[in-house]
Amino acid sequence: DTEVTQTPKHLVMGMTNKKSLKCEQHMGHRAMYWYKQKAKKPPELMFVYSYEKLSINESVPSRFSPECPNSSLLNLHLHALQPEDSALYLCASSQDPPRQETQYFGPGTRLLVL
Amino acid sequence: AQKVTQAQTEISVVEKEDVTLDCVYETRDTTYYLFWYKQPPSGELVFLIRRNSFDEQNEISGRYSWNFQKSTSSFNFTITASQVVDSAVYFCALSLRGSEKLVFGKGTKLTVNP
Repeated sequence: DTEVTQTPKHLVMGMTNKKSLKCEQHMGHRAMYWYKQKAKKPPELMFVYSYEKLSINESVPSRFSPECPNSSLLNLHLHALQPEDSALYLCASSQDPPRQETQYFGPGTRLLVL
Repeated sequence: AQKVTQAQTEISVVEKEDVTLDCVYETRDTTYYLFWYKQPPSGELVFLIRRNSFDEQNEISGRYSWNFQKSTSSFNFTITASQVVDSAVYFCALSLRGSEKLVFGKGTKLTVNP
């Protein structure tokens, strides 16, 4: 079962709001990823957690704050976002990071910042 | 530097036609991995295939086939007898050994008309 779930599916927030995106996988994968995807563009990597530790931060603004409470869960905390942060946010997971395992993606959260 | 080029931005075909999506990659590494993902309008990135650089065998899965040629640094994807459900954006991607990053091409939007 290669399933990654994400909640919520859609989110509308104002620039002063605080919200969180959630991602969950039960495949025993040890790496989890956040991507941002603007319309008609490929996904852009934001963060990678490997064995529950942040291993990559692609110079993402601090208004995005990732959290990995355990190996199955990944959160993305949002605060003081800008309208240009409106995008599809995709979560992915892979089995064993050093071995270049396939990344499996969730359905995404469509975020609109007003 | 690594790069993936999908020169076809958009392709439109009529149902039952065969269609080939092109992917050309650049890397100086000898060990790398190539992927194809499908992204339907719903947004989820669906994994289709993974190939490592030492395996040049072509692969067929139902109506889908992939042609990997190291000599031309290409990893092309062919859909035989296309169907409307094949309409999506298709991404080719590359990752290197020791890296958790996927380098995506810009994607090819395929529209299959009835």
